[in-house]
Amino acid sequence: GQNIDQPTEMTATEGAIVQINCTYQTSGFNGLFWYQQHAGEAPTFLSYNVLDGLEEKGRFSSFLSRSKGYSYLLLKELQMKDSASYLCAVRDQAAGNKLTFGGGTRVLVKP
Amino acid sequence: SAVISQKPSRDICQRGTSLTIQCQVDSQVTMMFWYRQQPGQSLTLIATANQGSEATYESGFVIDKFPISRPNLTFSTLTVSNMSPEDSSIYLCSVGGGGNYGYTFGSGTRLTVV
Repeated sequence: GQNIDQPTEMTATEGAIVQINCTYQTSGFNGLFWYQQHAGEAPTFLSYNVLDGLEEKGRFSSFLSRSKGYSYLLLKELQMKDSASYLCAVRDQAAGNKLTFGGGTRVLVKP
Repeated sequence: SAVISQKPSRDICQRGTSLTIQCQVDSQVTMMFWYRQQPGQSLTLIATANQGSEATYESGFVIDKFPISRPNLTFSTLTVSNMSPEDSSIYLCSVGGGGNYGYTFGSGTRLTVV
C-alpha cells in the first residue's frame, strides 16, 4: 500500500509564501503530482515531478527528493484566489500507474 | 489534455435506488479511473475501468455495489447500486496515466441519498 501524508490546513497572508510538504511511501514510484481544488470544483493539475529537483511554473514550484520520499509545493506571492485545497498524489507503476492521493492541505489566504 | 464530459452534475436519490454516472472523453484514452470524494476529504480510488474487460476494484469496493462499464476508449459508466445515505459523495472520473501529463478529471457528480 501507499502512505501519503500532508498537513491538513495552513494559513498565510496575501503576498506571502507558503510551502506545503508531502511525504510518501510507495513500492513503484513513477511520479508525483500536485493538484489544486477549489471548493465544489474538480481538481486541476498543477505540477509533476519524477526526477529529483525543483520544477518551476510561474508562482508555483514543486520539489522532489525520491531518496527521502518527500515533495513540497511552494506558492509564492499568494493571492486570495489561491485559497483552495492542494492535493499531493503519487503514481505507482507497480499498481498499474494509478494515482493515490494524500488527504489534501487546505490553504487559507488572508488579506 | 483530454476534455471530459461527466453527467449528471448532481442528483438527489432515494435510498435503495441506483444511479448511473457517465463520462465521455473527447479522445481515445487508455486509462480511466473512478474516484469518490466524501465531504471535506480527499479522493479515494474506487476502480480502474478497463476497456474490454472487468474493472479492477480497490480494497473496500466491490462490483456488485459499483458496477462499471467501459465499452470503448472514450466512454465509461459507474453505477452506484442500492444506495444508502452513506453513499452521499462526489464521484469523479479521471483519465490519464502516461508521461508527465496530468490526469484530467471530470467535473464530478454530487450525489445526495435521502
